[in-house]
Amino acid sequence: EAGVAQSPRYKIIEKRQSVAFWCNPISGHATLYWYQQILGQGPKLLIQFQNNGVVDDSQLPKDRFSAERLKGVDSTLKIQPAKLEDSAVYLCASSFHLGADYEQYFGPGTRLTVT
Amino acid sequence: RKEVEQDPGPFNVPEGATVAFNCTYSNSASQSFFWYRQDCRKEPKLLMSVYSSGNEDGRFTAQLNRASQYISLLIRDSKLSDSATYLCVVNSGGYQKVTFGIGTKLQVIP
Repeated sequence: EAGVAQSPRYKIIEKRQSVAFWCNPISGHATLYWYQQILGQGPKLLIQFQNNGVVDDSQLPKDRFSAERLKGVDSTLKIQPAKLEDSAVYLCASSFHLGADYEQYFGPGTRLTVT
Repeated sequence: RKEVEQDPGPFNVPEGATVAFNCTYSNSASQSFFWYRQDCRKEPKLLMSVYSSGNEDGRFTAQLNRASQYISLLIRDSKLSDSATYLCVVNSGGYQKVTFGIGTKLQVIP
């Protein structure tokens, strides 16, 4: 079974530039998550989709971050404009269904450095 | 108070030792609990779910104490390969809000 795919794996940009990350979840997984993991911290949930609808985006900085999941499969996360504090690993995860007991499968992440 | 709290460590233990981590949570309505493992510069992977009755998987035992609002992870006979960061995960809320702890770093030394 193919895992969660993410691209790019690494990205270096200057502050105030824009960047976009892509995620392809495991086939058949209805729920998709984007997390931000800053060095030395646990993953912080940014947004959670069920199919193509947003379930929770309470921690997404909406003035600069946006995410979409058209057609309920692939998803993109965009940052515009980037700040130095956005330097982090952005992890995408998927699970079979929305619910407490469904394991989350993580992609390898995109490591973003903002200079 | 943070929603999910963990001691970041590091816990340095010799091979063969038994080590235990705790994780406290603030929302008494939290419904499900997990331990994930994260190796350095890798993505998190599910280690085990934590059930009310406790559960065991080989050398790993997870327990839940709802009265005191904490979960624990016990690792017996530590191996060098157990060196990693152990993340506590709590799901709560009607739409299953997911909160990760900061993680506890374990280093097993020869």
